[in-house]
Amino acid sequence: DTAVSQTPKYLVTQMGNDKSIKCEQNLGHDTMYWYKQDSKKFLKIMFSYNNKELIINETVPNRFSPKSPDKAHLNLHINSLELGDSAVYFCASSQGLAGGIRYEQYFGPGTRLTVT
Amino acid sequence: AQKVTQAQTEISVVEKEDVTLDCVYETRDTTYYLFWYKQPPSGELVFLIRRNSFDEQNEISGRYSWNFQKSTSSFNFTITASQVVDSAVYFCALQLNFGNEKLTFGTGTRLTIIP
Repeated sequence: DTAVSQTPKYLVTQMGNDKSIKCEQNLGHDTMYWYKQDSKKFLKIMFSYNNKELIINETVPNRFSPKSPDKAHLNLHINSLELGDSAVYFCASSQGLAGGIRYEQYFGPGTRLTVT
Repeated sequence: AQKVTQAQTEISVVEKEDVTLDCVYETRDTTYYLFWYKQPPSGELVFLIRRNSFDEQNEISGRYSWNFQKSTSSFNFTITASQVVDSAVYFCALQLNFGNEKLTFGTGTRLTIIP
């Protein structure tokens, strides 16, 4: 059973298009995240949701909009795609902070987005 | 603001050699967690270890060991008797226990094990 899954795995699209990436976790976690990994492998958080509420929103362009229909899903919608959006996008989930302990995050397999 | 530095961009060692990956972190908080993740060539991110700031005991898991030293703000990772399957990019990360949920990653160290 896949713990954190993302679809699609690869996404090739043209500039100006709108696209979505879906993420689902079956770990029962309360907190989900989106990260962007650039061509130099640098990982940076974009958003975090806890129980469907936005708790982290880094300096991400408004063209990126996360949506959490329920605790197990966190989707990422991107409007008006630009060349600079090309990257690998990772979804992750975690128990977050529980019982005074900060738990690790488990990552999905990533979605490689290429904008041409 | 917190920061994680992995000064070693790339390391290559011959199989069966031991190798240590360095991680230095910065934070003003006294309660925080440190993590190591592995990213093999297939691209997924694999969790390796979590350590909280109050637990300075070293940890060993098979060929992997971790040395946490608060005095030098370091959380180094050693692989003994390296194997080709250890070839990957390794990330060190820091997360505060309270407040900001953000997981701050280092820039990663690409480890290549030469057969």
